[in-house]
Amino acid sequence: GEDVEQSLFLSVREGDSSVINCTYTDSSSTYLYWYKQEPGAGLQLLTYIFSNMDMKQDQRLTVLLNKKDKHLSLRIADTQTGDSAIYFCAETPQTGANNLFFGTGTRLTVIP
Amino acid sequence: NAGVTQTPKFRVLKTGQSMTLLCAQDMNHEYMYWYRQDPGMGLRLIHYSVGEGTTAKGEVPDGYNVSRLKKQNFLLGLESAAPSQTSVYFCASSYPRVTDTQYFGPGTRLTVL
Repeated sequence: GEDVEQSLFLSVREGDSSVINCTYTDSSSTYLYWYKQEPGAGLQLLTYIFSNMDMKQDQRLTVLLNKKDKHLSLRIADTQTGDSAIYFCAETPQTGANNLFFGTGTRLTVIP
Repeated sequence: NAGVTQTPKFRVLKTGQSMTLLCAQDMNHEYMYWYRQDPGMGLRLIHYSVGEGTTAKGEVPDGYNVSRLKKQNFLLGLESAAPSQTSVYFCASSYPRVTDTQYFGPGTRLTVL
């Protein structure tokens, strides 16, 4: 089955940029997503990118996709304490009812 | 507009007991999903439904059953709970397009002793 991997932890200082990385194995992935989970809450979609794009920017968020290396990254500019959360990478294969396959999640800690 | 709600929020079961988790959405979404979240493993899809009266298996369906008798509700049942089913369960719903956001409920924390 699909395999989506992320590093488990990342710490950054407030005001710095954060880069969260993700690798996946399914070359037929159509869309790749970044979700945010705050403590005690469900997941919230941050952004997504179609597999034929290599970059998408949305305010402080920049998503980079290297399809050849099956590598996805999320850059958060000017990281704030409110960005502390777990960030999940997810992908949708070409078939199926939009099923999402999630990575393990990266816990981002922002140090004031 | 409450979005996606889940009942109950917390539950403790003994091995062998049964229970049903209820998910309700008021966004008229066609698709609904049940995931489980375990430490260090991300979310894994248990079952999903593409419309009223339909259900399908996800990645980890064993030990669970589901029903979608009404469009707005998706029920997840555990017939004979096992400690391995201790987890946080999330329900989600979405419109059919792959670009449509999946909206998640707040989760149900289940402990099986």
